[in-house]
Amino acid sequence: DQQVKQNSPSLSVQEGRISILNCDYTNSMFDYFLWYKKYPAEGPTFLISISSIKDKNEDGRFTVFLNKSAKHLSLHIVPSQPGDSAVYFCAASTLNTGFQKLVFGTGTRLLVSP
Amino acid sequence: DGGITQSPKYLFRKEGQNVTLSCEQNLNHDAMYWYRQDPGQGLRLIYYSQIVNDFQKGDIAEGYSVSREKKESFPLTVTSAQKNPTAFYLCASSMIGGNSPLHFGNGTRLTVT
Repeated sequence: DQQVKQNSPSLSVQEGRISILNCDYTNSMFDYFLWYKKYPAEGPTFLISISSIKDKNEDGRFTVFLNKSAKHLSLHIVPSQPGDSAVYFCAASTLNTGFQKLVFGTGTRLLVSP
Repeated sequence: DGGITQSPKYLFRKEGQNVTLSCEQNLNHDAMYWYRQDPGQGLRLIYYSQIVNDFQKGDIAEGYSVSREKKESFPLTVTSAQKNPTAFYLCASSMIGGNSPLHFGNGTRLTVT
């Protein structure tokens, strides 16, 4: 049972344009969401997060939007750069224990071409 | 420079042999985790530990064992009982409490033939 879904395995975008990566979840108990970026043969690195009390969080070129009623979140990258080419994982957790047990999506491979 | 060190980067073993993957962190994090990544799949949680000498099974613990004798170290043993051990293994750590993101090591790619 995939509780966190990233339905697009890949996305291609031109440099300078917007990249939009989508993520859906099924567990309404999730209250904290994160995006990780992963290069080949490396570990994921934390990118940005959002808690369920917010609907938007911004950090430089990266913005995450959360739509709780639709159980959907998205990551916007503006403007996209070739160095953004990587696999992006969406993850979700519940914080009621004060401890993160993340559930990851399957990832979306982003390719930003010059 | 604080971080998580996984060694070795590549590991090859014959079927039927146990193998131990190393994970050390100097971030002073209480919690440590082991994840497994397979092609086309997300990261799946194998084991996690919130405190020394205590650990819990994750979603796919069968065929694996761990120990947490020191705060800094969380080795994972892939036993011969693990049916599909070939995978990319990732160790992570985090603080406990609040919205502390996981910090990952660079992984160990295990190939069992």
